[in-house]
Amino acid sequence: GAGVSQSPRYKVAKRGQDVALRCDPISGHVSLFWYQQALGQGPEFLTYFQNEAQLDKSGLPSDRFFAERPEGSVSTLKIQRTQQEDSAVYLCASSFGGDFNYGYTFGSGTRLTVV
Amino acid sequence: AQSVAQPEDQVNVAEGNPLTVKCTYSVSGNPYLFWYVQYPNRGLQFLLKYITGDNLVKGSYGFEAEFNKSQTSFHLKKPSALVSDSALYFCAVVLMNRDDKIIFGKGTRLHILP
Repeated sequence: GAGVSQSPRYKVAKRGQDVALRCDPISGHVSLFWYQQALGQGPEFLTYFQNEAQLDKSGLPSDRFFAERPEGSVSTLKIQRTQQEDSAVYLCASSFGGDFNYGYTFGSGTRLTVV
Repeated sequence: AQSVAQPEDQVNVAEGNPLTVKCTYSVSGNPYLFWYVQYPNRGLQFLLKYITGDNLVKGSYGFEAEFNKSQTSFHLKKPSALVSDSALYFCAVVLMNRDDKIIFGKGTRLHILP
């Protein structure tokens, strides 16, 4: 597609439930990023892939968070045993990698609410 | 560590007046600087960037920003505000040739009053 696609658009999870968030980047984009945006805050970096390699996961808040991109295209962010503090919008972005002519293209995000 | 500061949580401007949204950065090298806009329930949309060259960069929707190295600032400006400019604006920085991840400011909510 023409943009970065994220699904689901909204997710309500009971505390303790596992969730999986999907990101379809722009075809051919090498770099893929996940960000967490809490209400009223700026996006916070979670993790970064270059093709299938996860080069930086320093932003993942705990070992309950796991991300993968096994074939270098679609990525999944998994959160195990969700907690209320995990409630946020999760944004995915992709880029050609090192090409900043158009910055990064962001998806519309997945709004996760943990109840 | 690199960081971005947006000192104003909210800016109110009357329609037709010029607007400025402030941003300062702190990095140890040469930065790439960006502005993004976020409308309600939408993703982040790219507005403009500074990589190198002219300090005044022009972007989408009539916005522009001025890179000031001595003041480490990258303020967003528009000569004449529109009500439709009301949104959340984020300044962001990437370190050149060091790291590809974007570091965002906390955002400034811009209200354009009709």
